[in-house]
This record gives sequence, structure tokens and C-alpha cells, in this order.
Amino acid sequence: QQQVKQSPQSLIVQKGGISIINCAYENTAFDYFPWYQQFPGKGPALLIAIRPDVSEKKEGRFTISFNKSAKQFSLHIMDSQPGDSATYFCAATTSGTYKYIFGTGTRLKVLA
Amino acid sequence: DTAVSQTPKYLVTQMGNDKSIKCEQNLGHDTMYWYKQDSKKFLKIMFSYNNKELIINETVPNRFSPKSPDKAHLNLHINSLELGDSAVYFCASSRLSTGELFFGEGSRLTVL
Repeated sequence: QQQVKQSPQSLIVQKGGISIINCAYENTAFDYFPWYQQFPGKGPALLIAIRPDVSEKKEGRFTISFNKSAKQFSLHIMDSQPGDSATYFCAATTSGTYKYIFGTGTRLKVLA
Repeated sequence: DTAVSQTPKYLVTQMGNDKSIKCEQNLGHDTMYWYKQDSKKFLKIMFSYNNKELIINETVPNRFSPKSPDKAHLNLHINSLELGDSAVYFCASSRLSTGELFFGEGSRLTVL
């Protein structure tokens, strides 16, 4: 119930293409779903986040799609760039619990 | 003006030794965390402190002892180091109301 399942494990995309990473959860008490981006040798950094009262959130080239009934959410990176090459983690938490459950990560490589 | 800073960045030590990692945040957050990231990049929470009080203590061996002298600091002491302790340890902080986690750059521990 506490898991967040993330796929794919790795992804290779051509420059200008769309990168899509998917996550699924079981715990319906989760109410905050962030995506973190991690470059080699650095800590994860918040990229974009969504709460379940909306089905989509867009920030620049990054979009989260959220499907509450299916308990799934996904990250879309439009016009992917080599600088987007990093590991991406989805996460979920319930407000006030302090406990973030992270997905297993997706290593994205964008080819120039 | 680093937000979450941890030291040292690298530790290399022998099995059986004791080591400490220090963390400080200047964001005014009330909650701090230690996460462990293994070689497969899995991020697992170890401990969380809110206003100097331990609120999350995952199934971590008692060789690991966190200590929070004040809201801005959370240190991690590890006794009797084992090979399996080799990992990157991340400190993070958050404000409960916003939900966003801010990570440090990590401390890479190698146990020989």
C-alpha cells in the first residue's frame, strides 16, 4: 500500500522528442505528488508537483497528468533536450505525515 | 548561501569504524530528514525530525543514530560501519505546509 511503482527504469529519447515517465500508487490517502530531478553528483530537486484536485499541471516543457480513478500520474517532458538527461523520481505523500514515498527512479538520456 | 549543506561530501573508511555526517539548513524549515540512496539509486527514508523531535524512524539498524541539536541541524552518526552501509546519504528539509523537500548534495560513504 505504501509503494509507488515507477516505469520505465530507463529511457532514451531523441532531442526534440517527448519523454514520458509513469507512476502508480495504491494508498488513496496520498494527496501530494511531486517529481524530482537528480543530476549525477547532486541531490534531487523538485521539478513539478500536483495535488489530486486537478488532472494536469504544466510548467514550461514539463507536464504532470494525474488520473485519480486509476491512481496513476505521469511526467511528460516536451521537446526533450540533452540537458534534461538525469534521473527522475516520482513521489507521493500525505499532508502532515512527513513521509515521502519515492518511486524507483527513471534514468533519462536525451540524445543530441 | 546554500540551502541544505552537508559535510563531508566524501567519506572513505574501514569496516568497524565510526563516522559522522553533519547537516545544516538555512531555510527556516521545521522538519529535517536523512535519506539513503543505494547503488541502484533507490531513495529510502531513514529518519525525520520535526522541531528537534524524532517523528520517523524506519527499520534502520541501531548503529545509526541521528541527533538534532536544534531545528537547523540534523547529524547522523554511524557506529561499527559495515560494507553494506556504503551509499550516498542525503539530508533534506521541508516546511510541513508546502510539502516540498529540499535536498543537500549528498555524502558518499564508502566502507572498505
